[in-house]
Amino acid sequence: GAVVSQHPSWVICKSGTSVKIECRSLDFQATTMFWYRQFPKQSLMLMATSNEGSKATYEQGVEKDKFLINHASLTLSTLTVTSAHPEDSSFYICSARDRKRGPQETQYFGPGTRLLVL
Amino acid sequence: AQKITQTQPGMFVQEKEAVTLDCTYDTSDQSYGLFWYKQPSSGEMIFLIYQGSYDEQNATEGRYSLNFQKARKSANLVISASQLGDSAMYFCAMRPIFNKFYFGSGTKLNVKP
Repeated sequence: GAVVSQHPSWVICKSGTSVKIECRSLDFQATTMFWYRQFPKQSLMLMATSNEGSKATYEQGVEKDKFLINHASLTLSTLTVTSAHPEDSSFYICSARDRKRGPQETQYFGPGTRLLVL
Repeated sequence: AQKITQTQPGMFVQEKEAVTLDCTYDTSDQSYGLFWYKQPSSGEMIFLIYQGSYDEQNATEGRYSLNFQKARKSANLVISASQLGDSAMYFCAMRPIFNKFYFGSGTKLNVKP
């Protein structure tokens, strides 16, 4: 079964609004979670590494003030797209490592969130 | 520099036949992990198989096997007895130790009935 959940699975919003996406690890604690972005027919692009209790580490070119990440607990990380614009429309997917499940360093992914900004 | 290359943007295979999806990688690290993920149209990334750089035997998981050739830096995925449900995007990924994941561009597999 799924080990990482995401909510919502899809969202449509107006330009200028903020959208929060939740990523939860199920039945395991994740001190580190990862946020990816995927455009149609392209590969995953790592946006940031979310660390529980500390600031997220952003990849080069990713706006920290645009994509706010909060890893408030060992099972929950949130990504907030602030003042969303149509170019932010994409598929956002999170992942986490469960050190007690599967081969070492395997990342387990959530089902993803499709964001459409009108 | 770390890099993953998947040279097949799309592949077709007849149901019940085997298919090989290519993946080559480039890294200067001695220790790393290689992964394959399946992404159906729903979008979820499903973990399929893992190969450690120091593993001497090729990894196998059910109908999936990984043809690991370390000297050639290749980690091809072999799917035996293809099923219609295998139609999806397949991503090869590498994770050098203490580093982030690097993904290939993906291969879209279509299984024909």
